[in-house]
Amino acid sequence: QKEVEQDPGPLSVPEGAIVSLNCTYSNSAFQYFMWYRQYSRKGPELLMYTYSSGNKEDGRFTAQVDKSSKYISLFIRDSQPSDSATYLCAMSVRSNDYKLSFGAGTTVTVRA
Amino acid sequence: DAGVIQSPRHEVTEMGQEVTLRCKPISGHDYLFWYRQTMMRGLELLIYFNNNVPIDDSGMPEDRFSAKMPNASFSTLKIQPSEPRDSAVYFCASSLRPLGVAKNIQYFGAGTRLSVL
Repeated sequence: QKEVEQDPGPLSVPEGAIVSLNCTYSNSAFQYFMWYRQYSRKGPELLMYTYSSGNKEDGRFTAQVDKSSKYISLFIRDSQPSDSATYLCAMSVRSNDYKLSFGAGTTVTVRA
Repeated sequence: DAGVIQSPRHEVTEMGQEVTLRCKPISGHDYLFWYRQTMMRGLELLIYFNNNVPIDDSGMPEDRFSAKMPNASFSTLKIQPSEPRDSAVYFCASSLRPLGVAKNIQYFGAGTRLSVL
């Protein structure tokens, strides 16, 4: 069993829809949770960074962490075609852990 | 800053040939990472350096893979001899040691797409 599980999709939604992405993990020691966005033929870039449980909002993006369920989510409101990308979750135990555990990534297409 | 720069962007080679991938990290960053990404295995960390010293190479798949960082602004990942199963996108990333509660953010290059025929 992988340490971080993420449904690879693909996920196709119409413009304006809410996109819901999630990851589950097995290591209860994870405390730092990240979402990276990767456009086609590009490297991943950090989108959201959260610590421990709770919600974090940044514009149209909301990251949620439920440590009791070992489950994290990313929501994209009012999705745009420019949101079409692969979204990878990543996590670590400590803030200075350089060896991140990544999910497989979910490919999202937002149709105009 | 131009970000993390990788070269070449694409490499096509024949089985058995030596392949060298290059990376220039963001100036001032003291951590450098090499990753491999495939559809089957996702993003895998191969090796990372701190201040030019290899810290963890447990992800390097075989002795055919080697990585060096001769100075703070340059690193190479070499595969010798290459095999078709090495075909993947190889990413280099760099990071600055966070101070206090600052985030540990890795900045990725655009990757090198390697095809071994």
